[in-house]
Amino acid sequence: QLQLQESGPGLVKPSETLSLTCTVSGGSISSSSYYWGWVRQPPGKGLEWIGSINYSGSTYYNPSLKSRVTISVDTSKNQFSLTLSSVTAADTAVYYCAREGGSGSAEFDFWGQGTLVTVSS
Amino acid sequence: DIQMTQSPSTLSASVGDRVTITCRASQSISTWLAWYQQKPGRAPNLLIYKASSLQGGVPSRFSGSGSGTAFTLTISSLQPDDFATYYCQQYKSYPYTFGQGTKLEIK
Repeated sequence: QLQLQESGPGLVKPSETLSLTCTVSGGSISSSSYYWGWVRQPPGKGLEWIGSINYSGSTYYNPSLKSRVTISVDTSKNQFSLTLSSVTAADTAVYYCAREGGSGSAEFDFWGQGTLVTVSS
Repeated sequence: DIQMTQSPSTLSASVGDRVTITCRASQSISTWLAWYQQKPGRAPNLLIYKASSLQGGVPSRFSGSGSGTAFTLTISSLQPDDFATYYCQQYKSYPYTFGQGTKLEIK
């Protein structure tokens, strides 16, 4: 069974950079069939797609965050990562990593448990 | 960006009821639509993809329909485990976007 697990600091200071890693187990991140994405959810609010990447490093970003976001992949470690620069309190959220389904369909079929990142001094 | 609008925002219902949640897209997305269930403190769980395909392991009381701009999620007979928040999501084009959510409460 595929599993995803987010890791990284739970507290980031304003203006600094948020960095998270998603470790994939039970399957290979190198499959050409899938993209791997990040989704966030501010406390008590809805879901926002941040961006996605495939095994070769091809990326798509939400234009609302594009200037601050970088998503990268490390196939040797079966991981992909998110960095978000110049954070503010508005970036406080639970951050999820997820797999986009294959076979030409891109729904998020596997999710990590999520990690809360709080932006505060 | 494609805007996704769900209705209602909150729905009160009883065990055994049949309920329907609606999701509208601001432009045609064909059938590139998913439905998720989310419980407090948990990650979203995929229920329906391609508008009407049931994800493996999801009970058959859940069903989805629609195409173009109008979609529905139906739960045929509510069970206690179904009280949660439901989101639709379009994946016709980037940026992927979600509806604002529908909270299903016990009446």
